[in-house]
Amino acid sequence: EDKVVQSPLSLVVHEGDTVTLNCSYEVTNFRSLLWYKQEKKAPTFLFMLTSSGIEKKSGRLSSILDKKELFSILNITATQTGDSAVYLCAVDLFQGGSEKLVFGKGTKLTVNP
Amino acid sequence: EAQVTQNPRYLITVTGKKLTVTCSQNMNHEYMSWYRQDPGLGLRQIYYSMNVEVTDKGDVPEGYKVSRKEKRNFPLILESPSPNQTSLYFCASSAALGGEQFFGPGTRLTVL
Repeated sequence: EDKVVQSPLSLVVHEGDTVTLNCSYEVTNFRSLLWYKQEKKAPTFLFMLTSSGIEKKSGRLSSILDKKELFSILNITATQTGDSAVYLCAVDLFQGGSEKLVFGKGTKLTVNP
Repeated sequence: EAQVTQNPRYLITVTGKKLTVTCSQNMNHEYMSWYRQDPGLGLRQIYYSMNVEVTDKGDVPEGYKVSRKEKRNFPLILESPSPNQTSLYFCASSAALGGEQFFGPGTRLTVL
């Protein structure tokens, strides 16, 4: 069975801290890994990773994929209260001739002032 | 403005009363998907569509139907809703299934 596991499930930090969110996966026919941010509404796209070892960066957020060890991390530096959200990891894979997207349960990040 | 719209945003209904949640996108995307989100279970894919008249089951298709007669629309149909279908539903579209997905605002459904 295809699995995407995120850790920790929740995290509370103070503004200015750096956080690392983890996503590990066990899937067949991996195509890509995606990160989304979900505040109290619909998820919004952050990154898509397909190649191992290449860091994607956007401002204070960055992410990297390790296809050998089957995991990805999402780093947020100098956190702000606006970073408080649930961060979702998803893996796109082939299954039975069609594509499928499997999400992890998410990491709830709370950034306190 | 590029967007995915869903209607209704909130719906309370009773067991067995057929309902349809509409989804429309204006980005000419090939792929559209339906998800449900439940506490502790995360987002789970119900159905997806790779193009007009092409649909496939996701992880939790039981009790749901979809159709894709036009590229922009992908309605979700609950023929006989049950309380275990109470959930938050998201429609999403993308140029490719494994690429960036644009999510609709969500439909909160309660089945009594």
